[in-house]
Amino acid sequence: QKEVEQNSGPLSVPEGAIASLNCTYSDRGSQSFFWYRQYSGKSPELIMFIYSNGDKEDGRFTAQLNKASQYVSLLIRDSQPSDSATYLCAVNRDSGYALNFGKGTSLLVTP
Amino acid sequence: GAVVSQHPSWVICKSGTSVKIECRSLDFQATTMFWYRQFPKQSLMLMATSNEGSKATYEQGVEKDKFLINHASLTLSTLTVTSAHPEDSSFYICSAKREGTYEQYFGPGTRLTVT
Repeated sequence: QKEVEQNSGPLSVPEGAIASLNCTYSDRGSQSFFWYRQYSGKSPELIMFIYSNGDKEDGRFTAQLNKASQYVSLLIRDSQPSDSATYLCAVNRDSGYALNFGKGTSLLVTP
Repeated sequence: GAVVSQHPSWVICKSGTSVKIECRSLDFQATTMFWYRQFPKQSLMLMATSNEGSKATYEQGVEKDKFLINHASLTLSTLTVTSAHPEDSSFYICSAKREGTYEQYFGPGTRLTVT
């Protein structure tokens, strides 16, 4: 069973701080890595994707990928209360298009 | 771009009836769409992969005769829950894969309640 592991949290950070979310995966054949944000009762929203080792920045978000360590992370700078949500890590499965999702990390940004 | 719609957003039906859910990619073509189910406080569970013009691929443990999937065009996939029972009550979410990428964009979901 190919797995994607995330700490369930909750991760609590003060407003303005950096939130760091981590994810590990077991399928060495995975090539595509995604971070989704899901508010309670809503569907997931794609916020970042990364295909190559290293960092990828988009606004306040930075995704980091280390394929050798099978590790992907998401940094959120200048965290805002509106960032409070569950963050899902997803990894493509069996070198195909289907995604395996982690169970998500709950982030709480306190004013 | 990358907007995906779902209809209906919520539905209540009686046990034994069938319900059809539509998933549309509004501003891009999607030969591949996916159907997920999510129970409260649990993660997404992939039910099936829907491919335009061909049969869907179902995940292990998902009954293909109960969850009928049709992907008749590059922008529309439908999921029909046949003979629904209370245990089928869940949040059903579709996603569409943008052509030429691995990115999946989710619809807003359909909340199904079977009484």
